[in-house]
Amino acid sequence: KNEVEQSPQNLTAQEGEFITINCSYSVGISALHWLQQHPGGGIVSLFMLSSGKKKHGRLIATINIQEKHSSLHITASHPRDSAVYICAVSSVLEYGNKLVFGAGTILRVKS
Amino acid sequence: NAGVTQTPKFRILKIGQSMTLQCTQDMNHNYMYWYRQDPGMGLKLIYYSVGAGITDKGEVPNGYNVSRSTTEDFPLRLELAAPSQTSVYFCASSYSGGGGWGYTFGSGTRLTVV
Repeated sequence: KNEVEQSPQNLTAQEGEFITINCSYSVGISALHWLQQHPGGGIVSLFMLSSGKKKHGRLIATINIQEKHSSLHITASHPRDSAVYICAVSSVLEYGNKLVFGAGTILRVKS
Repeated sequence: NAGVTQTPKFRILKIGQSMTLQCTQDMNHNYMYWYRQDPGMGLKLIYYSVGAGITDKGEVPNGYNVSRSTTEDFPLRLELAAPSQTSVYFCASSYSGGGGWGYTFGSGTRLTVV
């Protein structure tokens, strides 16, 4: 079993839809990261969070430490949101500052 | 600031050839990392460094070597390229401590070994 599980693996949405991507992990963590990778592109950090909720524009990330679960929400989705979204966790005790990554969720938003 | 700069962006190698992937950061981050990304898989850590002169193996170090002579540079060396090393390679850096504060990735190097 992977230490970081994401769901769904693939997601197709219509423009304007509300999107949720889920991430579950199995160890105590220092922080959880949400990353975005456009096709053929580099990796951009969207959020780093260790508790509660963060919002940036149309993106919202939440984390429940007790349940070891995080969600990334996209409101009013747009075709430019099409990308791979990657969840990663860091645990200073388990991994130092290294990240352990989920396999990613491929999102396609159709116009 | 340029952030994390990787070169080259693309490379095709023949089996048995050697090459060095370059990585430079200008954020004065202590921690630097090399990851590889294979289709359908999460990124896997190859090597990492917590400061100049200090390096350590990650999950998949075989076939690779690194050095960290300065805070800014963290090159990755492939000595005898094999088809299994066909992948996309990402260099990253972060501040020390805090679980990865300031994590920044380079734009990646797409390597094909034929």
